[in-house]
Amino acid sequence: SAVISQKPSRDICQRGTSLTIQCQVDSQVTMMFWYRQQPGQSLTLIATANQGSEATYESGFVIDKFPISRPNLTFSTLTVSNMSPEDSSIYLCSAPLEAGALRETQYFGPGTRLLVL
Amino acid sequence: AQSVSQHNHHVILSEAASLELGCNYSYGGTVNLFWYVQYPGQHLQLLLKYFSGDPLVKGIKGFEAEFIKSKFSFNLRKPSVQWSDTAEYFCAVKPYGNNRLAFGKGNQVVVIP
Repeated sequence: SAVISQKPSRDICQRGTSLTIQCQVDSQVTMMFWYRQQPGQSLTLIATANQGSEATYESGFVIDKFPISRPNLTFSTLTVSNMSPEDSSIYLCSAPLEAGALRETQYFGPGTRLLVL
Repeated sequence: AQSVSQHNHHVILSEAASLELGCNYSYGGTVNLFWYVQYPGQHLQLLLKYFSGDPLVKGIKGFEAEFIKSKFSFNLRKPSVQWSDTAEYFCAVKPYGNNRLAFGKGNQVVVIP
């Protein structure tokens, strides 16, 4: 099966700074997804990143806070901007890696563990 | 919006015991159903999935799940757990034709040797 990688795997950042997380898929995919997993919580979808168009954000998430790039069919970045301690979380990217839009299965990267001080 | 419910967030059991984790969803249409597992220090992995056909689905590592449409449920089972099954288990639902995956809160399962 295809592999999804993320960089960095973890980081400790100061409040007010920004961090860009990279996600690389080893096959071409139309959509990539960014999730947040806060401590002790489930996964929450942040946005859907489509190649060639602006990302679609879920309720409660805005582009100014979480700008996303999708320059090609195998790569995406998520930036966590102007960070506060509440942004401490695991950020995961995912992509559907099996054929057929109606039977697609999302696979996940290893996650980026972010701690904001 | 659809929601996914998983109860008994923390489950502790001994090796060889049977495990059943409940998953209920609120969505009236056709859905695709998934169970993911996250072992300590590892990333989220697909355990099994249901799209259509036989409602009893077999996954990896001896896990199975049964889709009961009338109950909006997709419960996960394993007849005899091992210490290596210690992990967090997430149920996820995707409406048919929609790319959004909704997750339950997860079950933290600890298997005592």
